[in-house]
Amino acid sequence: DAGVIQSPRHEVTEMGQEVTLRCKPISGHNSLFWYRQTMMRGLELLIYFNNNVPIDDSGMPEDRFSAKMPNASFSTLKIQPSEPRDSAVYFCASSFSRAGEDTQYFGPGTRLTVL
Amino acid sequence: AQSVSQHNHHVILSEAASLELGCNYSYGGTVNLFWYVQYPGQHLQLLLKYFSGDPLVKGIKGFEAEFIKSKFSFNLRKPSVQWSDTAEYFCAVTPYGNNRLAFGKGNQVVVIP
Repeated sequence: DAGVIQSPRHEVTEMGQEVTLRCKPISGHNSLFWYRQTMMRGLELLIYFNNNVPIDDSGMPEDRFSAKMPNASFSTLKIQPSEPRDSAVYFCASSFSRAGEDTQYFGPGTRLTVL
Repeated sequence: AQSVSQHNHHVILSEAASLELGCNYSYGGTVNLFWYVQYPGQHLQLLLKYFSGDPLVKGIKGFEAEFIKSKFSFNLRKPSVQWSDTAEYFCAVTPYGNNRLAFGKGNQVVVIP
């Protein structure tokens, strides 16, 4: 089992540039989650999808952030334009939701630095 | 929305000491409960989980947690820690049937050899 795969692992960019983070969930999982981790705010859920449909995007900080899931095996999180305060580790997680029992498995994360 | 409280953010202890990390949540209904561990520079890994049944749950690496419904608590324990247990530990809660996880702020645990 390959686990959740994220790319890139590290990204350094300049303010104003577009950033795209990628995630491949565990095969067979039907839910996908994007989290952001910072020292100040801890782990925050940004958005989650169920069967490729966005269910809850209330955690997305602002319009600069967007997420897509075009199929069951791929999702992107895009920041355009990026700002220094977006610097964080972004985790993707996936799960198979069944009968109220749902365990999320996390990817290795993308460490984003916006200069 | 549910919230999760973890106290004693920084814990320093010696090898072979016992560890207990507290976790309290605010939600009146049925919940699913999790502890995740994040080793330095790594991603979150599932340590243990509780959905139903025996409130004493055993996880990996000798960890266990006890769900006390009346206290809205899910405390993590390990009788004898090792240097390799140095990590950050996160408690997480989700209402039954809802897969939106709420995380606590985490406990940074440092085990001194």
